[in-house]
Amino acid sequence: NAGVTQTPKFRILKIGQSMTLQCTQDMNHNYMYWYRQDPGMGLKLIYYSVGAGITDKGEVPNGYNVSRSTTEDFPLRLELAAPSQTSVYFCASSYSMGQGDQPQHFGDGTRLSIL
Amino acid sequence: QQPVQSPQAVILREGEDAVINCSSSKALYSVHWYRQKHGEAPVFLMILLKGGEQKGHEKISASFNEKKQQSSLYLTASQLSYSGTYFCGTSGANSKLTFGKGITLSVRP
Repeated sequence: NAGVTQTPKFRILKIGQSMTLQCTQDMNHNYMYWYRQDPGMGLKLIYYSVGAGITDKGEVPNGYNVSRSTTEDFPLRLELAAPSQTSVYFCASSYSMGQGDQPQHFGDGTRLSIL
Repeated sequence: QQPVQSPQAVILREGEDAVINCSSSKALYSVHWYRQKHGEAPVFLMILLKGGEQKGHEKISASFNEKKQQSSLYLTASQLSYSGTYFCGTSGANSKLTFGKGITLSVRP
């Protein structure tokens, strides 16, 4: 039972480059989330999805894009990488009716540095 | 709005007890608690829903005071494995989870 799988685990980008962070889950969860974690700041929600074909912005969406073509996959796209996007990115999923009444299951994270 | 966690850091000896608090300025429907070890993903501990219910998980329990918009996490007879950063996440009736900044807890032998 893999849970939530993120790839890659580490990546170094140059300013202006683009990349996609992959996230897949095998628990048939309807909700999926992308967070970024900066030192001492907790987890900030970037985007979330309530099901295939439906996505919405979180607290810090600027500079990112997402898509949800299947229940399992929720990739995060950085189009023009900037140093401010250096962070640890976590993908999570939950089976939820939207009221925060179910636990979120996190992937192992992607550590991204923009130089 | 981001919930406020206190104290900022906790240092314990093995076997001692600790209380971690989480406060919100808005009405709450749920409070989540997660623990994260250095370099790892956050791991779910427990959820408390509106109603003041107290939950327990081995020697870790939590309470939820919806009137005060607060939750507390109780760690009794702490073990070395309890070390890590503890995050609370809060949500209103129709809002997404918002996480606090986390509290670092260190258990020393």
